[in-house]
Amino acid sequence: GAGVSQSPRYKVAKRGQDVALRCDPISGHVSLFWYQQALGQGPEFLTYFQNEAQLDKSGLPSDRFFAERPEGSVSTLKIQRTQQEDSAVYLCASSLEGDGPSFRNQPQHFGDGTRLSIL
Amino acid sequence: AQTVTQSQPEMSVQEAETVTLSCTYDTSESDYYLFWYKQPPSRQMILVIRQEAYKQQNATENRFSVNFQKAAKSFSLKISDSQLGDAAMYFCAYRSGYNAGNNRKLIWGLGTSLAVNP
Repeated sequence: GAGVSQSPRYKVAKRGQDVALRCDPISGHVSLFWYQQALGQGPEFLTYFQNEAQLDKSGLPSDRFFAERPEGSVSTLKIQRTQQEDSAVYLCASSLEGDGPSFRNQPQHFGDGTRLSIL
Repeated sequence: AQTVTQSQPEMSVQEAETVTLSCTYDTSESDYYLFWYKQPPSRQMILVIRQEAYKQQNATENRFSVNFQKAAKSFSLKISDSQLGDAAMYFCAYRSGYNAGNNRKLIWGLGTSLAVNP
């Protein structure tokens, strides 16, 4: 079946512009995660949704970062007034895991990421 | 807070040989999960193997196996019969157990770049 799809694959923006990154999770996946991966680093958690509810946004680095998942499927990560330090690969992952015991520790499946470059 | 450390930025192995990648972690939790992910140049993060902390038996997936030492907080990955397609960045990751509520995030190490020489 189809995997996690992210678009665009590459995005170049000028400093100060707003950007929106899209994630289409695997159909039926309850949980959705966003991670930021700087060059040569491991991913860093940004935020987590269960269906449409944003249950953890502790990793968002500033109030310029905003994520939504209004219908519990597609998610958008928006970055306002971009800065050079926002340049990174943004990874989206989805999993079957919800609150029921049958779905504990379901693996996170990742998309190809969006490489964001801020000039 | 939990941390994950991968002390080998780069490793290399000859094709068909065995290589072991190291990972240590720090946590005060008793219930957690550990993972090894592979990230080829295409960037897609692929799950290689996972281990539940409450299980004493080391996980195995075909040519991939782990050496999980809970007391030492060590979680190394062994790749047997290395193949050219194994060349990639390998990340070790930690996740709190189910009772951690909404804390479902993965905490990652910095990665180990594995080269496979023909």
